[in-house]
Amino acid sequence: NAGVTQTPKFQVLKTGQSMTLQCAQDMNHNSMYWYRQDPGMGLRLIYYSASEGTTDKGEVPNGYNVSRLNKREFSLRLESAAPSQTSVYFCASTERGSGQPQHFGDGTRLSIL
Amino acid sequence: AQSVTQPDIHITVSEGASLELRCNYSYGATPYLFWYVQSPGQGLQLLLKYFSGDTLVQGIKGFEAEFKRSQSSFNLRKPSVHWSDAAEYFCAEDTGTASKLTFGTGTRLQVTL
Repeated sequence: NAGVTQTPKFQVLKTGQSMTLQCAQDMNHNSMYWYRQDPGMGLRLIYYSASEGTTDKGEVPNGYNVSRLNKREFSLRLESAAPSQTSVYFCASTERGSGQPQHFGDGTRLSIL
Repeated sequence: AQSVTQPDIHITVSEGASLELRCNYSYGATPYLFWYVQSPGQGLQLLLKYFSGDTLVQGIKGFEAEFKRSQSSFNLRKPSVHWSDAAEYFCAEDTGTASKLTFGTGTRLQVTL
């Protein structure tokens, strides 16, 4: 079982470049999430999609956009990358309903110079 | 605002010693709580979850956690730590909306031989 797959695993960008991070899950989950992880700050929610066709802002959405392409795929786009967006990005998915655990991908390590 | 607090940023224990990682939550009379573990360069793996019922929950890898409503705590324990348990541990609480989670800032566990 692949679970949640994120591509790419590593990326280096220059300030101002754009990039899309890809995420796909094969568990038929309804809800998907994008987080960023920075030292000492835990995971912070960027955007989420409660179900196919819907997306909503999380705690730190500025500078990002998302697309729920279909039930399996949820992409995160940086339109004009900034050094402050250097981080590790995690995608997660879960079945709909309170108390359902989220399943995480292995992350994308993004550096912006 | 909802918050999850992990007061210990870094803990060092000797292999074979017992372990307790602290977590305090702030939301909900009946919270949904989780512990995740993150090994270096990996995504987050679910250790255990609490929904209701027994206040002592068992998880994978020999971990357990105790829910104490009076103290708003959900501490993670292991009787005898193995060197392979060295990782970062995150406590999280379901926000009650779209299965979103609020994470603590994490506790990094170091195990000495």
